Amino acid sequence: DTGVSQNPRHKITKRGQNVTFRCDPISEHNRLYWYRQTLGQGPEFLTYFQNEAQLEKSRLLSDRFSAERPKGSFSTLEIQRTEQGDSAMYLCASSPRTGPNTGELFFGEGSRLTVL
Amino acid sequence: GEDVEQSLFLSVREGDSSVINCTYTDSSSTYLYWYKQEPGAGLQLLTYIFSNMDMKQDQRLTVLLNKKDKHLSLRIADTQTGDSAIYFCAESTPGTYKYIFGTGTRLKVLA
Repeated sequence: DTGVSQNPRHKITKRGQNVTFRCDPISEHNRLYWYRQTLGQGPEFLTYFQNEAQLEKSRLLSDRFSAERPKGSFSTLEIQRTEQGDSAMYLCASSPRTGPNTGELFFGEGSRLTVL
Repeated sequence: GEDVEQSLFLSVREGDSSVINCTYTDSSSTYLYWYKQEPGAGLQLLTYIFSNMDMKQDQRLTVLLNKKDKHLSLRIADTQTGDSAIYFCAESTPGTYKYIFGTGTRLKVLA
């Protein structure tokens, strides 16, 4: 394991369906972040976990969005009743709590959601 | 509120220098970063600078920070075609979850 892994890489779904994305962070990292990136924009913060605790959620994260990190390792991001406006790249990142703290985020390659 | 702004596009010829600019608003930011995103890939950290520094050089990369004007720049010397990508600046305060990214500058290097 040399990096953050996300799957699926691409999901195409019909409006109203539920989708779930998975993120496996770098194994010794206890901080995990979800970001959303739309075309021509930078990543926008969605939510943050420290170990299994979800410490912050953005106002961008409506009630249809839920994220979990049950054992403090992998995380899932579920979107219920998808809308076309949910089409975006969903990026996961992790960072260590201890060690040289430059604040660097280690990003996965992202999961692209297309809602038809 | 907090905002990070960048110009959207930059085109340079191979071998020339590229300068990508960024302005930010959060004066409490302690770290400022430059990330690179290649097509179909996640963001990768290129370099960072502490807010108490004015300049940092790392091989072909030079970061300049003007704290008074809240202006950050990234200079890439001897730009190569492999440098073509989107470059994001970001700010954060360590110990918090908060990272604010700019909109990204798409750098195109012409052979």
